[in-house]
Amino acid sequence: KQEVTQIPAALSVPEGENLVLNCSFTDSAIYNLQWFRQDPGKGLTSLLLIQSSQREQTSGRLNASLDKSSGRSTLYIAASQPGDSATYLCAVADYKLSFGAGTTVTVRA
Amino acid sequence: GAVVSQHPSWVICKSGTSVKIECRSLDFQATTMFWYRQFPKQSLMLMATSNEGSKATYEQGVEKDKFLINHASLTLSTLTVTSAHPEDSSFYICSALAPPAGELFFGEGSRLTVL
Repeated sequence: KQEVTQIPAALSVPEGENLVLNCSFTDSAIYNLQWFRQDPGKGLTSLLLIQSSQREQTSGRLNASLDKSSGRSTLYIAASQPGDSATYLCAVADYKLSFGAGTTVTVRA
Repeated sequence: GAVVSQHPSWVICKSGTSVKIECRSLDFQATTMFWYRQFPKQSLMLMATSNEGSKATYEQGVEKDKFLINHASLTLSTLTVTSAHPEDSSFYICSALAPPAGELFFGEGSRLTVL
């Protein structure tokens, strides 16, 4: 059974600092890995999708890496802003989707 | 990017009534859609996988007679909570798998409150 863990559970940083969010999974036979953002009471917004054959994806200030062999993915957010405050979830796709519990980020102005 | 529309965004109903939630993929055809439930401050819990033209696959512990899923077309899946009770109050989210990369797009969610 795939297990997805996100560390830390919560993170508070001053504006301008870089964010590093970690996601680990137990079964490396995955199809893809996706990072999402969730604002309170809202649905999920897709941030980055990494196929199993890729090692990283970038979009603006966001960069996500994938190391399948070690079962890890890292989401980097450069120069954080208060608007980045949200919960970030990673999801791993094998024969089904498995989500981590998320990292709640607070960026202090 | 691809858009998934979920309706209604919130609903309040009396105990014992049934509530239908719709999930539509607006600009792509989705053979596979997923339904999730989320309790406060917890992660999403996958309830079922909905495949167009066939019966949904339910996760262990999810009552298929209580949570009826219909995926009648390539752009629409519905979740009906039958004979709702207060413990069914939750945030329900759908997602759709977009071709060709298999990226997952989510609806905005539906907050159900059963009185």
